[in-house]
Amino acid sequence: DAGVTQSPTHLIKTRGQHVTLRCSPISGHKSVSWYQQVLGQGPQFIFQYYEKEERGRGNFPDRFSARQFPNYSSELNVNALLLGDSALYLCASSLVQGFGTEAFFGQGTRLTVV
Amino acid sequence: AQTVTQSQPEMSVQEAETVTLSCTYDTSESDYYLFWYKQPPSRQMILVIRQEAYKQQNATENRFSVNFQKAAKSFSLKISDSQLGDAAMYFCAYIGSGDKLTFGTGTRLAVRP
Repeated sequence: DAGVTQSPTHLIKTRGQHVTLRCSPISGHKSVSWYQQVLGQGPQFIFQYYEKEERGRGNFPDRFSARQFPNYSSELNVNALLLGDSALYLCASSLVQGFGTEAFFGQGTRLTVV
Repeated sequence: AQTVTQSQPEMSVQEAETVTLSCTYDTSESDYYLFWYKQPPSRQMILVIRQEAYKQQNATENRFSVNFQKAAKSFSLKISDSQLGDAAMYFCAYIGSGDKLTFGTGTRLAVRP
């Protein structure tokens, strides 16, 4: 079975541009979460979606948005990119939204803003 | 808010030896889960071991075990018989009622042949 897949694996954007990152969860998983991992730090929670509804949001500006589609795949959008948005963006999927449910991570998208 | 602290930025261990990675956390919740994740150069986070706070027995997964001290809010990871493939970043993580993982800053583990 395929794991969590993210695309693209790498991309370079210019300040002020917009970016869309994509995530396909493990088949059957209905919950998707997004994390930002700045170099040298642990991942920081951005969003959680379950059954196509936003169930949690971290301390990120409104430039960050996301959505989940009927097939449970998800997109993370970032507008007006800043140099500080350069990071590894990780997607995690879990079977359900539930206390302690195991999260499975993708390999991430490395975003560089120049 | 919950916080997770890993005070060892880097650790090194000889192959076949044992190493312990430290983690402390702060929370006011009584029920939660703690995890250790491994992140190799491939970047993918891999779950190593998990501990439920209401279980007093320490979790064990093959060569990996934890020392969970709930009162002290401490959650250390012991890796026995270290292998070259264990070299990676290790993150301690917490999840409570909020359903979001809170990670520490990580410990880079090097394994010497």
